[in-house]
Amino acid sequence: EVQLVESGGGLVQRGGSLRLSCATSGFTFSKYSMNWVRQAPGKGLEWLSYISSSSTTMYYADSVKGRLTISRDNAKRSLYLQMNNLRAEDTAVYYCAKGYYYDTISAFDIWGQGTMVTVSS
Amino acid sequence: QSALTQPASVSGSPGQSITISCTGTSSDIGGYNYVSWYQQHPGKAPKLMIYDVSNRPSGVSDRFSGSKSGNTASLSISGLQAEDGANYYCSSYTSGSVVFGGGTKLTVL
Repeated sequence: EVQLVESGGGLVQRGGSLRLSCATSGFTFSKYSMNWVRQAPGKGLEWLSYISSSSTTMYYADSVKGRLTISRDNAKRSLYLQMNNLRAEDTAVYYCAKGYYYDTISAFDIWGQGTMVTVSS
Repeated sequence: QSALTQPASVSGSPGQSITISCTGTSSDIGGYNYVSWYQQHPGKAPKLMIYDVSNRPSGVSDRFSGSKSGNTASLSISGLQAEDGANYYCSSYTSGSVVFGGGTKLTVL
């Protein structure tokens, strides 16, 4: 069974940092691009970042550029998101999502259950 | 990276057909054939329903179809069923990033 499991969320003070992890299983992790997407309470989806299968290409949304860093460890089948200088508006459920085919950035077929990040002021 | 525009809500009766629109610009929807649609039930993770404008992933009902004309993409659902009631989001690739629509709540009456 293909599975993505996020962890690392929690309560953090404004200006603080968090590192989210996404453990994967059930597919050849090293062959697919991965993404982070978030959803603020009661709001829509917001794409945050993309990383290609071999980590050669990374993209970020303008709203988080400079504060978030995406990375992956293909040997550990894991995806990461380092989040710095957190703001109240970063409060959201954070999902990791698998690219549907190869290094596509355009379609995400498998999503984790999400991990909640709450930034207190 | 402005959000794509979707109607806030649509509704239909069981068995009917509905269409959800998603309007962007020539920099996103109009410039690439990389539009996707996601279904999300409350408290659940999104599910990919359509990718690359009109393709269905394996396991998605053929009642769901996608299309695009100019800067506007559309998701059509035929033979509405109660379980289709959910939030639907469109997305598009745009020059090194992805932009989502604001979401449309589908109510099956």
